[in-house]
Amino acid sequence: AQSVAQPEDQVNVAEGNPLTVKCTYSVSGNPYLFWYVQYPNRGLQFLLKYITGDNLVKGSYGFEAEFNKSQTSFHLKKPSALVSDSALYFCAVRDYTNAGKSTFGDGTTLTVKP
Amino acid sequence: EPEVTQTPSHQVTQMGQEVILRCVPISNHLYFYWYRQILGQKVEFLVSFYNNEISEKSEIFDDQFSVERPDGSNFTLKIRSTKLEDSAMYFCASSSTGVVETQYFGPGTRLLVL
Repeated sequence: AQSVAQPEDQVNVAEGNPLTVKCTYSVSGNPYLFWYVQYPNRGLQFLLKYITGDNLVKGSYGFEAEFNKSQTSFHLKKPSALVSDSALYFCAVRDYTNAGKSTFGDGTTLTVKP
Repeated sequence: EPEVTQTPSHQVTQMGQEVILRCVPISNHLYFYWYRQILGQKVEFLVSFYNNEISEKSEIFDDQFSVERPDGSNFTLKIRSTKLEDSAMYFCASSSTGVVETQYFGPGTRLLVL
């Protein structure tokens, strides 16, 4: 079975400050990890993924995430937050045995204040 | 940039009625998925579809649900007899290959069952 935990329902940061949105996972095999962002009344937009290789993954809109196998984490980061980054962020995991089924976390609402 | 499209954007139906949600995946993609998101809750996997058959389905995807790729472009989700608890946002997704590839999501269909 695969699972994802996003321990924070809400993250608040000031514009210009660094942000981190946390994600931990559990899979039986090698994890394939994804971050998506959802703006109000919109679908899920892909931000970045980790499949293999470098632990630091860079994605869209200046976001990056660090894969940490020992801590089973895949935290999303951005060095300098923008007000427009305010949205709902989902971490997702897949296991190669599950035919592409993605398991999503509960989501974290990021609010960036001017 | 190619994108997944879904119709209708909103659907209101009476309990017990059949609904068909339509999706046009990205044209060269081979794997197709349906997910749902009940208001305020996490995104949940329903079904994956490849080579004209279901690859995997969740416990949510019971006999009331079916999927079909009736032609070369559309991918549909049918709910035979809707229940109040089927009210949710339904997302279609597609990927070029299987497990390691990014799933690209459509904007969703908001289904309300009265």
